[in-house]
Amino acid sequence: DAKTTQPTSMDCAEGRAANLPCNHSTISGNEYVYWYRQIHSQGPQYIIHGLKNNETNEMASLIITEDRKSSTLILPHATLRDTAVYYCIVRMNTGNQFYFGTGTSLTVIP
Amino acid sequence: NAGVMQNPRHLVRRRGQEARLRCSPMKGHSHVYWYRQLPEEGLKFMVYLQKENIIDESGMPKERFSAEFPKEGPSILRIQQVVRGDSAAYFCASSTGTGNYNEQFFGPGTRLTVL
Repeated sequence: DAKTTQPTSMDCAEGRAANLPCNHSTISGNEYVYWYRQIHSQGPQYIIHGLKNNETNEMASLIITEDRKSSTLILPHATLRDTAVYYCIVRMNTGNQFYFGTGTSLTVIP
Repeated sequence: NAGVMQNPRHLVRRRGQEARLRCSPMKGHSHVYWYRQLPEEGLKFMVYLQKENIIDESGMPKERFSAEFPKEGPSILRIQQVVRGDSAAYFCASSTGTGNYNEQFFGPGTRLTVL
């Protein structure tokens, strides 16, 4: 089952940074943190993942606390197209499946 | 490079009929995963297949559901004698393998409605 806790919903003003928190206090040493998002019933889209270090790609940044018990996904300049449900998932490196919880419904407001 | 393809996108069946959902993975991907999403819920893992083999079916209902990924052709998720509770979105994902650098790429889903 899902091993993460996320807020149910969040709003963000267009053009501002969206900071989506995730708690994973029971994460084990060989588990990675993944983020996916699902835009209006489309298939989930991979965003980013990390183990210990902070990560950045063209879509977002992932900040993982030193104790690895929580993380934050940052969308630096949110647009209306970023309105979606964002899923934070922990998974072993060799895991077969992703456990999707209910995620955070992010609404970007004009 | 085409992404994961699923068809049909929408499928309507009456109770008791069979539903067949197809998934063509991305080119070069030999690992396929099926997930189900009930309304207002997150995706739930069903089954993981490699070519001609079922690797993990821990999320599959014990009856009426089956999956295959033949040597040639798409992966098929088959639901026999559908019931209203089977109404959901079914997503297929593919990857080059398991592990850290093998994230799963998802298809657009098949929305099954059972009347």
